[in-house]
Amino acid sequence: QLVLTQSPSASASLGASVKLTCTLSSGHTSYAIAWLQQQPEKGPRYLMKLNSDGSHSKGDGIPDRFSGSSSGAERYLTISSLQSEDEADYYCQAWGTAWVFGGGTTLTVL
Amino acid sequence: EVQLVESGGGLVQPGGSLRLSCAASGFTFSSYDMHWVRQATGKGLEWVSGIGTAGDTYYPGSVKGRFTISRENAKNSLYLQMNSLRAEDTAVYYCATPLGYWGQGTLVTVSS
Repeated sequence: QLVLTQSPSASASLGASVKLTCTLSSGHTSYAIAWLQQQPEKGPRYLMKLNSDGSHSKGDGIPDRFSGSSSGAERYLTISSLQSEDEADYYCQAWGTAWVFGGGTTLTVL
Repeated sequence: EVQLVESGGGLVQPGGSLRLSCAASGFTFSSYDMHWVRQATGKGLEWVSGIGTAGDTYYPGSVKGRFTISRENAKNSLYLQMNSLRAEDTAVYYCATPLGYWGQGTLVTVSS
């Protein structure tokens, strides 16, 4: 059974960069995932689809500050030049007949 | 522009029923799987159900036998019939597509 694991929290300073991690469970390391952003009191927003080879395709209007990369079972979301509006919950998601979500990472911009 | 607009949420007593709707526009609705995802206050995202283009349906164990997902392609609409509701079903319910589009959500509160 596919399980996606995320750290509960992360923090970084305004203008800095941060790298969030989503770890796929054993036997599922070739899966593509999506990264979602959820700002306070808003619905989820699709950021990108991230493949196991690190290639990614971003959603409409997603700034270049957001990028993805992969290494083995790890899927990363890097946000550069952090802005106050990047303070949000970030989820990774895998598709199939069933959808699976990571527990989410709450990003605090200091 | 892709739009997903949920409706039908509200307050219902434990054991009651509710039917959610999702009106889709801006894409070829019949060509894509559709899903319902919920989020309890302060909690993460939880997948609730999915329906394929051929009408095949999928549920997690937490709602199987109580919830029924359906679609009406002629009306570009997705539905979720929720029966035998429990307090733990209280959440904002979103419809979403594998394309990465999400609705704004509709709140379901199960309480006496």
